[in-house]
Amino acid sequence: DQQVKQNSPSLSVQEGRISILNCDYTNSMFDYFLWYKKYPAEGPTFLISISSIKDKNEDGRFTVFLNKSAKHLSLHIVPSQPGDSAVYFCAASAWNTNAGKSTFGDGTTLTVKP
Amino acid sequence: DTAVSQTPKYLVTQMGNDKSIKCEQNLGHDTMYWYKQDSKKFLKIMFSYNNKELIINETVPNRFSPKSPDKAHLNLHINSLELGDSAVYFCASSQPGQGTYEQYFGPGTRLTVT
Repeated sequence: DQQVKQNSPSLSVQEGRISILNCDYTNSMFDYFLWYKKYPAEGPTFLISISSIKDKNEDGRFTVFLNKSAKHLSLHIVPSQPGDSAVYFCAASAWNTNAGKSTFGDGTTLTVKP
Repeated sequence: DTAVSQTPKYLVTQMGNDKSIKCEQNLGHDTMYWYKQDSKKFLKIMFSYNNKELIINETVPNRFSPKSPDKAHLNLHINSLELGDSAVYFCASSQPGQGTYEQYFGPGTRLTVT
C-alpha cells in the first residue's frame, strides 16, 4: 500500500514558466510534508517543507501548498530554470510515530527546457 | 566538508558474497537511516537508528544487518548477496526532535550483483 503517491512520473516545462508538481497521500496521521530534489548520481537534498497547521509555505521561487481535506500537496516553482531539472520527491512524516520516519513518493522527473 | 558520506560509491560483486557499506555523518544528528532505491526509482526505508539504537526495521531480509558503533556511523552489512539486491543504497541523517524532519542524504552506493 503506497501511502504517498506522485502520479506524474515526468513533467516538461519551458524556462521562465511555472512548474507544478503534485503529491497525494492516504494516511491522515501525516502532519509534516517535505520536498526533496535529486540530481543524477547524487543523494536527495531537502528543498522545502510544510507543517499540517499551515496551508502554504514559500521560500524564494519555491512554494508548497497543502490541502489537508483532499490529502494533496503541490510544489510550485516560479520561474522555472534549467538548473531545476531533476527528480523531485514528496515525503510525509507523522511526528509522534517512529521518530522522524519519512515515507517517500516515487518521484517526478522535471525537465526545464531553455 | 561533506555532511553525510558513504563508501564505497560503487560496488560490483558476485552472488553469494558478503559486503559492507559504510556511512558517516558529521552533523551531530542523533538519527540515521538506510534507504534502498530500486530500478523503479522508489526510495524505500530499510532501517533507522537513534543514538545507536535500532528504532525502525522495515520488512528487510535477515541477510541485511545494520550496525551503529556510535551515533555518527551507521554501516550496512549484506550477507549472501542476491541479484535482487542490486540497487542504490542511500544513508541519511536527521535530528527530528527539533520540530523538523528534513533528512540529509549521502551520495549513494550503487551496488551491482552479478
